[in-house]
Amino acid sequence: GAGVSQSPSNKVTEKGKDVELRCDPISGHTALYWYRQSLGQGLEFLIYFQGNSAPDKSGLPSDRFSAERTGGSVSTLTIQRTQQEDSAVYLCASRPDSTGLAAFFGQGTRLTVV
Amino acid sequence: SQQGEEDPQALSIQEGENATMNCSYKTSINNLQWYRQNSGRGLVHLILIRSNEREKHSGRLRVTLDTSKKSSSLLITASRAADTASYFCVYQGAQKLVFGQGTRLTINP
Repeated sequence: GAGVSQSPSNKVTEKGKDVELRCDPISGHTALYWYRQSLGQGLEFLIYFQGNSAPDKSGLPSDRFSAERTGGSVSTLTIQRTQQEDSAVYLCASRPDSTGLAAFFGQGTRLTVV
Repeated sequence: SQQGEEDPQALSIQEGENATMNCSYKTSINNLQWYRQNSGRGLVHLILIRSNEREKHSGRLRVTLDTSKKSSSLLITASRAADTASYFCVYQGAQKLVFGQGTRLTINP
């Protein structure tokens, strides 16, 4: 596709359930980011993938959060045993393998834990 | 925290006026970018300025960068109602992109 695609667009889940959020980056982009944005707040870094390098997981808030990127393309963010404080918009971005180029964001997944 | 800071947090102006937003950061950077976010969803890239550049223009947008002060500003000239959005400065230190808290801009008709 032409842009970064995220699915689902919206997800409502019960507290304690696991959820998977998907990100399809722009074809050829080797860098992929996940961010979280709570209502009215800035963006909180979660995890960063760059090519075949080990991901930067320094932003993951707890061990309930994990992410993988298969084949250097699609990425899945998994939240286990969801809590109400996990409710937020989860944004994915991709960037070409260069430090000087812009990142492009998907429309995000709005997660609501009830 | 590496997080950048933006000033003001909120700005309300009349249509046709100019809007200026400022951003400060804390580390050495390769480049700095400005993004716009409407309705709390996807972010749209506006402009990128490299660390060796001091000013850049794109349409009604003008961005400045002062690496000695670790600060940047975004000027939107002749504002329109459609410019109402949140604006974020984003800088890249080592690898990850670091976001400021954003400026909420409201353009009044």
